[in-house]
Amino acid sequence: DAKTTQPPSMDCAEGRAANLPCNHSTISGNEYVYWYRQIHSQGPQYIIHGLKNNETNEMASLIITEDRKSSTLILPHATLRDTAVYYCIVRVVDNFNKFYFGSGTKLNVKP
Amino acid sequence: NAGVTQTPKFRILKIGQSMTLQCTQDMNHNYMYWYRQDPGMGLKLIYYSVGAGITDKGEVPNGYNVSRSTTEDFPLRLELAAPSQTSVYFCASSFQTSGSRIIGHDEQFFGPGTRLTVL
Repeated sequence: DAKTTQPPSMDCAEGRAANLPCNHSTISGNEYVYWYRQIHSQGPQYIIHGLKNNETNEMASLIITEDRKSSTLILPHATLRDTAVYYCIVRVVDNFNKFYFGSGTKLNVKP
Repeated sequence: NAGVTQTPKFRILKIGQSMTLQCTQDMNHNYMYWYRQDPGMGLKLIYYSVGAGITDKGEVPNGYNVSRSTTEDFPLRLELAAPSQTSVYFCASSFQTSGSRIIGHDEQFFGPGTRLTVL
């Protein structure tokens, strides 16, 4: 089972890039990397996902290392509203019994 | 669209009581999920459904039951409530096709949660 390791918390200045790391050293070849975030006590919100190529959307960029053992979520210009817990998840899309959210990283964006 | 709605928002149960947490989505999603989140922890999958009439266990199904008689609704039943079931419960839904699975796309839309306390 591929699981993830994330730092429990990080700080970022408003307007700067936030780089959130995730280690998934036991990831299998058919497992995707997903990122979700949870603002305060709301339901989680999907951010981005990828398999082995770097991905970018309107919210963030996902950088996956060539060996796929780690990845970084980048919020290019963090705002106060980006303060949240960020979860890195790895799984095969059809394998619902292996959808581990873990404890995530609490990102604190400061003015 | 209202998205994913959950009722009630809060509930206090006594040990041994039972209740049903309601979840409805209006996005015509085929997949639906129930998670629980204990304080300071990540979410754990309880049950999921890939379509009406089809349900399966997740990581922590003991003490819960589900049914999926329609595409829109996915109620979660707690029988004989225990203090260990004190948690926040989230319902989610997603739209999956064979094409979306090929590219790994699984954007789940979550409801606002139900905060349950068992005393």
